[in-house]
Amino acid sequence: GAGVSQTPSNKVTEKGKYVELRCDPISGHTALYWYRQSLGQGPEFLIYFQGTGAADDSGLPNDRFFAVRPEGSVSTLKIQRTERGDSAVYLCASSSEGNYGYTFGSGTRLTVV
Amino acid sequence: GQNIDQPTEMTATEGAIVQINCTYQTSGFNGLFWYQQHAGEAPTFLSYNVLDGLEEKGRFSSFLSRSKGYSYLLLKELQMKDSASYLCAVKSDYKLSFGAGTTVTVRA
Repeated sequence: GAGVSQTPSNKVTEKGKYVELRCDPISGHTALYWYRQSLGQGPEFLIYFQGTGAADDSGLPNDRFFAVRPEGSVSTLKIQRTERGDSAVYLCASSSEGNYGYTFGSGTRLTVV
Repeated sequence: GQNIDQPTEMTATEGAIVQINCTYQTSGFNGLFWYQQHAGEAPTFLSYNVLDGLEEKGRFSSFLSRSKGYSYLLLKELQMKDSASYLCAVKSDYKLSFGAGTTVTVRA
């Protein structure tokens, strides 16, 4: 597509539930990133994919968080047993190989109640 | 680790100039980025510096000194639509690390 698309734009879930957040990157972009942004803070790195593989998942806060990118395009961030502290905006970005810039999606605002 | 500092808030008058400073201490450096982020929206790319010096792009300019771990973003001829958060980010290998952002408020 023309830009990075993230769905849903907003998600409200109850504590303890499972959620999936989807990212559809710019067509042809091999690199995909997930970031998390809390109110008043800059985005924090979660995970980086190069193609289908997670090249760096060092930012995932704990084992409740997992992400996949099975065909090297769309990625899904999965959060199990959600906690109120998981509430944030989850941003996805993509870039092409050799391109120094990221293009961000508009994010998914996750609220855990 | 990465440490990126920028002021929390700045206020300026329409038509004026504002300079947002950013200092950084990072392990590895492949360039410094500035992004603009309006409330509830995605960060959008403004500028990129990898060599020392000034990069000018219309009303926005960005400066980098690698030896000092310092950058600034200069916004000239401020317009109301420039009210936003401005994020300083350092690239190390493939990863961007962000500062907390500077909220700029432009007043009439």
